[in-house]
Amino acid sequence: QKEVEQDPGPLSVPEGAIVSLNCTYSNSAFQYFMWYRQYSRKGPELLMYTYSSGNKEDGRFTAQVDKSSKYISLFIRDSQPSDSATYLCAVTNFGNEKLTFGTGTRLTIIP
Amino acid sequence: DVKVTQSSRYLVKRTGEKVFLECVQDMDHENMFWYRQDPGLGLRLIYFSYDVKMKEKGDIPEGYSVSREKKERFSLILESASTNQTSMYLCATIPRGKGNQPQHFGDGTRLSIL
Repeated sequence: QKEVEQDPGPLSVPEGAIVSLNCTYSNSAFQYFMWYRQYSRKGPELLMYTYSSGNKEDGRFTAQVDKSSKYISLFIRDSQPSDSATYLCAVTNFGNEKLTFGTGTRLTIIP
Repeated sequence: DVKVTQSSRYLVKRTGEKVFLECVQDMDHENMFWYRQDPGLGLRLIYFSYDVKMKEKGDIPEGYSVSREKKERFSLILESASTNQTSMYLCATIPRGKGNQPQHFGDGTRLSIL
């Protein structure tokens, strides 16, 4: 079993829709959870960063962590064509400088 | 802003060649990482370095080596390139002791081995 599972998609939604992207993980020691966005032919850039369970909101983006079910989500409200990218989840535990990544979900927002 | 520069965006090499991929960062970060990214497999860690001349194997080090002679530069070496090393290679950095902070990535080198 992979440490982090992520549906690779592709996922296509119409502009303005709410997008839900998800990952599950297997190691309960993971405490830090990140979402990276990667545009085509570019490196990943950090989008959201959360610690432990709960929600974190930044503009149209909300990251949600449920440690009891080992499930993390990224919600995008009022999706825009500029949100079209690959979204990668990443996890790590305290003191660990290495990240474990999901495989990434390719998202397309249709105008 | 942290700047991580990878020397080549696209590279085409032949089987058996020795290939060097270079990564330079401008933020004095101690930790540097090399990943490869393949469809359906995500990012996989090849090697990382936590200081000059220090290195540790990642999850898939076979067929690769690294060099860190200066703090700002981390090189990935394919000793004898093979077609299964065709991939996107990404470099990342983070300051030491900031393990729970996000990594900063370069824009990648897309390497094709013919």
